[in-house]
Amino acid sequence: DQQVKQNSPSLSVQEGRISILNCDYTNSMFDYFLWYKKYPAEGPTFLISISSIKDKNEDGRFTVFLNKSAKHLSLHIVPSQPGDSAVYFCAASDQGAQKLVFGQGTRLTINP
Amino acid sequence: EAGVVQSPRYKIIEKKQPVAFWCNPISGHNTLYWYRQNLGQGPELLIRYENEEAVDDSQLPKDRFSAERLKGVDSTLKIQPAELGDSAVYLCASSLQGWETQYFGPGTRLLVL
Repeated sequence: DQQVKQNSPSLSVQEGRISILNCDYTNSMFDYFLWYKKYPAEGPTFLISISSIKDKNEDGRFTVFLNKSAKHLSLHIVPSQPGDSAVYFCAASDQGAQKLVFGQGTRLTINP
Repeated sequence: EAGVVQSPRYKIIEKKQPVAFWCNPISGHNTLYWYRQNLGQGPELLIRYENEEAVDDSQLPKDRFSAERLKGVDSTLKIQPAELGDSAVYLCASSLQGWETQYFGPGTRLLVL
């Protein structure tokens, strides 16, 4: 079963606007969440994370929001830039299992 | 600082042939991971090493997959014999300690014909 789901395979956003990528999870034991960014022919790179004790974490243009009751998190990118075009993976873990479970990814395209 | 190095980058083989992938983690990183990423999916953990010890290999198909991490540094992942369904990108990652921030290599893209 897919414990971490990214239901939008792709997203297209105008440069300068906000990009919102969504992620849902089913395992209530998950207590740490991460976003990874992946360019073609490269491995995923860590972008931002959030612990379940918080509902928001911000790093420059990137903000992650966590809604535990809805088992939903989102990544906001403001303003979006052409270099943000990539595949974004949501990942989750419970600290006891010490492993990450990834979503399927969302391909973000920023149009000039 | 050099990142995670993987080789080969691409491999094409016929089914039933063996294949091996090599990973050199970031210097000083004790934890090493092998993931498999199927087309249109996220990475899925195959095995995790803490130094030389495989501490989680529950997702490794042990009938045909094997892995080793000699001396707690480099690691190899082997498939013998390969099947059509093994076509995927095999990613290696490492972390200093703990599992939160993992650094990924570029992956090996395997195509089994």
